[in-house]
Amino acid sequence: KAGVTQTPRYLIKTRGQQVTLSCSPISGHRSVSWYQQTPGQGLQFLFEYFSETQRNKGNFPGRFSGRQFSNSRSEMNVSTLELGDSALYLCASSFRDSLSEQYFGPGTRLTVT
Amino acid sequence: DQQVKQNSPSLSVQEGRISILNCDYTNSMFDYFLWYKKYPAEGPTFLISISSIKDKNEDGRFTVFLNKSAKHLSLHIVPSQPGDSAVYFCAASAQYSGGGADGLTFGKGTHLIIQP
Repeated sequence: KAGVTQTPRYLIKTRGQQVTLSCSPISGHRSVSWYQQTPGQGLQFLFEYFSETQRNKGNFPGRFSGRQFSNSRSEMNVSTLELGDSALYLCASSFRDSLSEQYFGPGTRLTVT
Repeated sequence: DQQVKQNSPSLSVQEGRISILNCDYTNSMFDYFLWYKKYPAEGPTFLISISSIKDKNEDGRFTVFLNKSAKHLSLHIVPSQPGDSAVYFCAASAQYSGGGADGLTFGKGTHLIIQP
């Protein structure tokens, strides 16, 4: 069974630009969660999608948004990028919900210059 | 305010000995706890979990202990092997206590180094 895949793996953007990250969950998994990992804050929950609906949201500004498609694939968008958005963005999928064991993708390393 | 704390950024243990990784939490609504292991350039991998109705869960070389009164949990790895060298994250959630499903709250991780 293929694991969680994320594209692209690395990305360099300029302040003020926007970015879209993609996540393909494990086949059969309907829940997709997004996390931001930085050295200072560790892993922080962004949001969770289940059956194309956002179910939970972490404490991030509205510049961070996401969506989920009918095939459970998910995208995350960050608008008006700031230097502090430089981080590893991890996507995780699970069968039922974000509270069960999650399987993480390798992440997308975003650098904002 | 960090709700899940891993106070040791790194830990060095000799191969064959016991590794003990600690985690403290402040939110009394947390009732489900997980440990993840992360190698460089990979996403975290689920290791073991424990519900608040238990105080111990064992899976092979890995055992997690939960002390609810102290709001403390620990992961024991016995015996430690070189392949255990990784960053270990403790995570918590309020799954059954009606505290709201806000995803997992992670600690900042402990880098475990197993020395030959």
